[in-house]
Amino acid sequence: GENVEQHPSTLSVQEGDSAVIKCTYSDSASNYFPWYKQELGKRPQLIIDIRSNVGEKKDQRIAVTLNKTAKHFSLHITETQPEDSAVYFCAASIPPGGYNKLIFGAGTRLAVHP
Amino acid sequence: DAGITQSPRHKVTETGTPVTLRCHQTENHRYMYWYRQDPGHGLRLIHYSYGVKDTDKGEVSDGYSVSRSKTEDFLLTLESATSSQTSVYFCAISEGDQETQYFGPGTRLLVL
Repeated sequence: GENVEQHPSTLSVQEGDSAVIKCTYSDSASNYFPWYKQELGKRPQLIIDIRSNVGEKKDQRIAVTLNKTAKHFSLHITETQPEDSAVYFCAASIPPGGYNKLIFGAGTRLAVHP
Repeated sequence: DAGITQSPRHKVTETGTPVTLRCHQTENHRYMYWYRQDPGHGLRLIHYSYGVKDTDKGEVSDGYSVSRSKTEDFLLTLESATSSQTSVYFCAISEGDQETQYFGPGTRLLVL
């Protein structure tokens, strides 16, 4: 079945630096890749997503890139701020016929230091 | 936040007792999901529903059952709770296939 690996598990940066989180997936038929942010004690919330017909998507300081050949996708956060500190999860859809099921990575704890 | 509520928000129970968690939505979304979240494992799908009375298993369905008799409610039942089911449980909803999943506030369950 589909498997999603996420790296690094923890990431510490200085305010203003960039942060990059990488995920790989196993099933080449996966076609939807969301990223969620979860603050301590809160629910996961979608911050950006990308579909397999697009190579890159950007929303202000956040961007996601997708390399279908290599089966990996990455989250890029520029000009990090303390409020970016949270756990970030990537996910990949189970291929068609899976009724929108998602497989999540294990998460990356990002700490942004002032 | 999307109109999703979960009840109870916290529960402590004993091994061997049945437990039912409720997810309620006001969005009229077709798809509903139950996940568990444990350190080091991210979010793992337990069961999901693609319509009233239509449900299927996820990655970690053993020991869990679900029911959906109305569009707005999706129930997760632990028939006989075990300590390994101590976790945070999240419900999610989505409008369509390959669409954004919105999460509920979570239920923290402790099985002693």
